Amino acid sequence: DVKVTQSSRYLVKRTGEKVFLECVQDMDHENMFWYRQDPGLGLRLIYFSYDVKMKEKGDIPEGYSVSREKKERFSLILESASTNQTSMYLCASSGEQGRYEQYFGPGTRLTVT
Amino acid sequence: SQKIEQNSEALNIQEGKTATLTCNYTNYSPAYLQWYRQDPGRGPVFLLLIRENEKEKRKERLKVTFDTTLKQSLFHITASQPADSATYLCALGRGAGSYQLTFGKGTKLSVIP
Repeated sequence: DVKVTQSSRYLVKRTGEKVFLECVQDMDHENMFWYRQDPGLGLRLIYFSYDVKMKEKGDIPEGYSVSREKKERFSLILESASTNQTSMYLCASSGEQGRYEQYFGPGTRLTVT
Repeated sequence: SQKIEQNSEALNIQEGKTATLTCNYTNYSPAYLQWYRQDPGRGPVFLLLIRENEKEKRKERLKVTFDTTLKQSLFHITASQPADSATYLCALGRGAGSYQLTFGKGTKLSVIP
């Protein structure tokens, strides 16, 4: 079974702090994704990585950056957290033998105060 | 602009009946469409994928249809059970060979005993 883990289930940070969200997958997937999920807005893609050190902006990259130094790990960075970044953050991976389904982590509920 | 609509935010159905959820899209030519299940506080879980050249796909009590002329997918759960209560998301591949998905906002299904 594919396993995607995220570093924290709940996180509370202050406005202006730098925040790191970590995601690790154990299936050697090429592709990894970061989404945020908000009521009424659904899942929105922040960033996508298709290989180590490769990344593409998603639909809402502003205020975020990412890092992928190893194939199994994809980090989302909030350079200076703001209250409008309070959200559920979900990491996913895909690419097992050319298949398109995504495997999600449990999510990190981030609150910025 | 590209748009995905899931026909209702919430659907209540009696146990044992067939639940039918709808996903409509505009300004897309997706190579495939996927359905996911999401329970409260958890990441989505992949259920089924159907490609543009397939009309129907089945998995146990689940059936998905894909009509590229109508730009619509129907998701059916037969003999529904209270354990099927969850939010169901449809997601479209962004293009041939693309691993990126665009998600609908979901339909919350409640199966009443």
